[in-house]
Amino acid sequence: QQQVKQSPQSLIVQKGGISIINCAYENTAFDYFPWYQQFPGKGPALLIAIRPDVSEKKEGRFTISFNKSAKQFSLHIMDSQPGDSATYFCAASIEGGSEKLVFGKGTKLTVNP
Amino acid sequence: NAGVTQTPKFQVLKTGQSMTLQCAQDMNHEYMSWYRQDPGMGLRLIHYSVGAGITDQGEVPNGYNVSRSTTEDFPLRLLSAAPSQTSVYFCASSPTGTREQYFGPGTRLTVT
Repeated sequence: QQQVKQSPQSLIVQKGGISIINCAYENTAFDYFPWYQQFPGKGPALLIAIRPDVSEKKEGRFTISFNKSAKQFSLHIMDSQPGDSATYFCAASIEGGSEKLVFGKGTKLTVNP
Repeated sequence: NAGVTQTPKFQVLKTGQSMTLQCAQDMNHEYMSWYRQDPGMGLRLIHYSVGAGITDQGEVPNGYNVSRSTTEDFPLRLLSAAPSQTSVYFCASSPTGTREQYFGPGTRLTVT
């Protein structure tokens, strides 16, 4: 059962544009929502994370927007660069759930120069 | 710190063979986990451990065994490899209470 649904599966953006990746969840017990970035041949790396007590978190060009009532969260990459080309995974976790993460299926982002 | 290390990087097995994927971390993290990554499927949790001597099953545990005798090491054993276990395997660790998982570089396993 897919607990975190991620879209789109792939995304092509021009350099300087905005990349937007969306995730939706059903389990209201989730209280931690990270995004991971994975380059080819490498392991995923934590990019940015949010908890549901805030609606937005920004780190540099990366922003998470969180909509608790809609049970959705999204990653926005401003001024996208070719070096941002990677696969992005959203995830969710329950406090007290033994640190376990449930991942979305991933979005392959390509930023054209 | 080396972080999370995995060996081997690549492995080819024949159906029915057994092997152990090694994972080690030098960050004194209590939580460790194994995932498999298949095209279009994301990362799926196989087994996890919240500390030495404690392990539990994740989403896709069948065909895999784990043990955790030390904080540093968390090996994953395939007792009788099957072609369906062809995948990229990632080990991760996390400091207790943070849920910030640090991933290793992965092991690409092919079962023929």
